[in-house]
Amino acid sequence: DGGITQSPKYLFRKEGQNVTLSCEQNLNHDAMYWYRQDPGQGLRLIYYSQIVNDFQKGDIAEGYSVSREKKESFPLTVTSAQKNPTAFYLCASAREGGEQFFGPGTRLTVL
Amino acid sequence: SQQGEEDPQALSIQEGENATMNCSYKTSINNLQWYRQNSGRGLVHLILIRSNEREKHSGRLRVTLDTSKKSSSLLITASRAADTASYFCATDVWSGYSTLTFGKGTMLLVSP
Repeated sequence: DGGITQSPKYLFRKEGQNVTLSCEQNLNHDAMYWYRQDPGQGLRLIYYSQIVNDFQKGDIAEGYSVSREKKESFPLTVTSAQKNPTAFYLCASAREGGEQFFGPGTRLTVL
Repeated sequence: SQQGEEDPQALSIQEGENATMNCSYKTSINNLQWYRQNSGRGLVHLILIRSNEREKHSGRLRVTLDTSKKSSSLLITASRAADTASYFCATDVWSGYSTLTFGKGTMLLVSP
């Protein structure tokens, strides 16, 4: 089945720890995106990547980092510099200018 | 910054009724997209309408776009309980890269 997967579904982090969220797609899409969603809010763009080994900051990149070493994979690291990381994180992929396909999300909670 | 703003924030209707959600945006767009999100899940793409299009249909969904008013509407006809979800509009503003800016969404509740 073609699609986009995220893992884990739930993640708990202690303050001061870095954590990495996984995002994999087998849709052969060039573009991949990371969003953050807070309760009752829309999605805010963290980072995006149009091609392998290239990525750009979105609106709220501070405290996050990404890599794009493979077309299929776009992991997001939430660093200890992110002051309020508890949120629902969504990954998406797309062909250029087309609709985005979303993963099921990872819910991160800081203890 | 929030490009799109949906209206209303919440909508409660009975099965069989039509549901209309509106989206306003601020800058010129390449296209506008509507997405649906069930509680705690990822988003599902519904319709993409390009800036040179005025109306698109997909099943029970009808989307209109008025670029002069910088607004769009999503109409769901003959609603069902399974349509209960949050609906988001997202604008694609081409600036060398294609990215989407989402509104805060309309929460739709369809009661049996």
